[in-house]
Amino acid sequence: GEDVEQSLFLSVREGDSSVINCTYTDSSSTYLYWYKQEPGAGLQLLTYIFSNMDMKQDQRLTVLLNKKDKHLSLRIADTQTGDSAIYFCADLSGGSYIPTFGRGTSLIVHP
Amino acid sequence: DVKVTQSSRYLVKRTGEKVFLECVQDMDHENMFWYRQDPGLGLRLIYFSYDVKMKEKGDIPEGYSVSREKKERFSLILESASTNQTSMYLCASRPSGGGEQYFGPGTRLTVT
Repeated sequence: GEDVEQSLFLSVREGDSSVINCTYTDSSSTYLYWYKQEPGAGLQLLTYIFSNMDMKQDQRLTVLLNKKDKHLSLRIADTQTGDSAIYFCADLSGGSYIPTFGRGTSLIVHP
Repeated sequence: DVKVTQSSRYLVKRTGEKVFLECVQDMDHENMFWYRQDPGLGLRLIYFSYDVKMKEKGDIPEGYSVSREKKERFSLILESASTNQTSMYLCASRPSGGGEQYFGPGTRLTVT
């Protein structure tokens, strides 16, 4: 079946850029998502990209998609302590109702 | 700006009780989902609904049932709560063609 892989942890210094990576196996993915989850809360949709795009920028967030390598990344510019959270990527295949989620990357921002 | 709401943030129930978790969305989405989230296990899909009165089992439906009588509301029912159903429950909704999938704030259920 489909699989979405993320590294478990990322530690960055406040003010630096963070890059969270995700790989997926399904070549028929149509939508790819990034979510943020703070402790005790639900998942907040940060951004999503349609599979015919290779980049999307939204303020401090930049999403890059390499379809050939099935690689998705989320770059957070000028990372702040409020960005500390778990970040999930997910993909949705064409014709499917069910997105596949990665296990989440815990981003730790230290001063 | 609230899009997906869940009836309770925290809930404590006793073993054997019947438990109802309610989810309401105001975006006229066709698809709705119930997940549970446990440390080390990620998000696991319990049930989803692709339209009113339609439901499909997800990966872990045992011990749960669902109801979707109206488009905006998707209910998760624990017929007889057990301690292994202690978890964070997350509801989500999305348009039928894909696109933005929004989650509710979650319900932390403890079964004692």
